[in-house]
Formats: sequence, C-alpha cells, structure tokens
Amino acid sequence: EIVLTQSPDTLPLSPGERATVSCGASQNLTRGSLAWFQQKSGQAPRLVLFDVSTRATGVTDRFGGSGSGTDFTLTISRVEPEDFAVYFCHQYDALPYTFGQGTKLEIK
Amino acid sequence: HLEESGGGLTSPGGSLRLSCAAPGSTLTDAAMIWVRQAPGKGLEWVGRIASKTDGGSTDYSAPVKGRFSVSRDDLDHKLFLQMDSLKTEDTAIYYCALDLSQDIRLWYLRPLGYWGRGTLVTVSS
Repeated sequence: EIVLTQSPDTLPLSPGERATVSCGASQNLTRGSLAWFQQKSGQAPRLVLFDVSTRATGVTDRFGGSGSGTDFTLTISRVEPEDFAVYFCHQYDALPYTFGQGTKLEIK
Repeated sequence: HLEESGGGLTSPGGSLRLSCAAPGSTLTDAAMIWVRQAPGKGLEWVGRIASKTDGGSTDYSAPVKGRFSVSRDDLDHKLFLQMDSLKTEDTAIYYCALDLSQDIRLWYLRPLGYWGRGTLVTVSS
C-alpha cells in the first residue's frame, strides 16, 4: 500500500498569501496519478487537481500542482477567503488507492 | 452529480446496501469507487469496480475485504455497495465517485470530478 503523508497538518495564512502543501508518497507514482481534493465543513470533497497538475472544471488558475515520483505540491498563489478548507492528496496510481491525512488551511 | 442512498443505523453484525444513482448514461461503463469518512476523520478508499468493458473486476481495501461488495447496474445507471458483518468502526459517511483512473476513451469525464454528497452509515448497539 502506498502511504501518502501531507505536511503541514495545519497551515495558518492570511488572505492574499501563498499556500504550499506537500504530499509525500512511500513509493514512486510511476504514472503520475496524484490528485488534490478540497473539503469544506459539512460538504463532500471537491476535485481540485488530477494527474498532478490538471485543474478540474471550474477551478481557478490560482491553484497549481507540481511534482513527480514521490514528492508532490499543491500551491495556491494568493489565498482567497473561499479557499480556507481541508485539502487531501489522493493517489490512484496503484491499488489499493489511498489518501493523505489532510491539511487544514485556516485563517491566521 | 451523483446521489447516494441507503444509509442509516444498524447494529454490529448487520447489513446495509448503499445505492449510488448516476446521471443519465454519462457514467455508464466508467470505473467507479466508494470512499468513506469517519466522523472527524480523513478520507478512506473502500472499493472500486471496473467498467464492464474492462471486465467489471472489483478491488477492496483491507479493512472491508470479504465483508463489502461493489456491483453495478449500467442499464439502471446505478452503483451499489453491499455491506455485511458491519462493525462499529464502519461508521462513516460513504461517498460514491468517479475513479480518476479511467480508460483513455473516458478521460473527458475526469475534469468533471463526479462525487456524491454522501450517505451516513451508523453502526451501533
């Protein structure tokens, strides 16, 4: 099983600042099958990025993704109030699929 | 986009069958997954079913293997999760979603990020 470890667990930022969330995989994701989800309180997860850096429909270009192998990054160029949420990385490179533990982006 | 149903309260050792309705024929023959989220916890992948074109095979996470079963009815555009021998640790919101690992002919679905709103399963005595 591929274990995904996110850092940090909590990221306190002010609106307008840059957010960087890391996701480390215990094994190489040979197909680059890594996605990011956003989840707000009481809501279902929402797909933000897939295949490392491809934005989902309707996602602003303030969201970007990068990485390969075992190290991946979600970047929000300028955090807006609606971006404060929990973010999960997800690998669908190999079964069993797995998720990271989540990173809470909170208002500083 | 997707709508789960069938959740509720059951006792340990009991069974529940969750359904997931897909819109029209959009997701017919797409690989689909079930994901759950225990109260206050993160996301956990539960199982997957491949498209019938790709053989309709199923895979499960270790905690549910042998107890849960995923199936599909493409004529009725529905996905199912049969849950038997339920344990208190199966208490969670259960989501159905499009598997992001799709055959290239269905890659156009992936940006749409199909997820349901979830259905709550509570296992308690």
